Amino acid sequence: RKEVEQDPGPFNVPEGATVAFNCTYSNSASQSFFWYRQDCRKEPKLLMSVYSSGNEDGRFTAQLNRASQYISLLIRDSKLSDSATYLCVVNMGNTGNQFYFGTGTSLTVIP
Amino acid sequence: GAGVSQSPSNKVTEKGKDVELRCDPISGHTALYWYRQSLGQGLEFLIYFQGNSAPDKSGLPSDRFSAERTGGSVSTLTIQRTQQEDSAVYLCASSFDGKNIQYFGAGTRLSVL
Repeated sequence: RKEVEQDPGPFNVPEGATVAFNCTYSNSASQSFFWYRQDCRKEPKLLMSVYSSGNEDGRFTAQLNRASQYISLLIRDSKLSDSATYLCVVNMGNTGNQFYFGTGTSLTVIP
Repeated sequence: GAGVSQSPSNKVTEKGKDVELRCDPISGHTALYWYRQSLGQGLEFLIYFQGNSAPDKSGLPSDRFSAERTGGSVSTLTIQRTQQEDSAVYLCASSFDGKNIQYFGAGTRLSVL
């Protein structure tokens, strides 16, 4: 079983739609959680950290469910510029490398 | 402030040659990571440096790959006797303490002919 699993998609949604991505992780002791965005042929960039209480940044809402070991990202009122790959990232708090990346979920927002 | 800097941005080499890729992390960041990303694929962890601790080399795919980090700052990833399957984008990231946000450089696109 992979440490972090995501549905690769692709998700193709019309402008203005609401879309949600989920990500599951294997280690219940994981300590921190992030969503990154990666545009085609670019490096990943932090979209938002995910806190236990959930957090919102404009059209983006992230949730953490420790009991079920998943995190989610909700995008409301999708824009064309939201088209990208969204990476789920979990810090498992082990010794050595602690960050595990999902393979990413591809989103295309269609005019 | 300056972000993570990688050089060169593109490297074309012939099969069998050695290459060196450089990463200059954000000043003050103790943790440094190297990843590899092939076209259309996810990130593949290669190696992790944290302060003065022994690096986590568990992701290096073969003994042709090595990395060092001098003075706790700049890192160099070396690939010896390059093969065509080494063609990929090599990404470096740094983190303040290895527990929080990673910041990525723009990557080095390596093409082995």
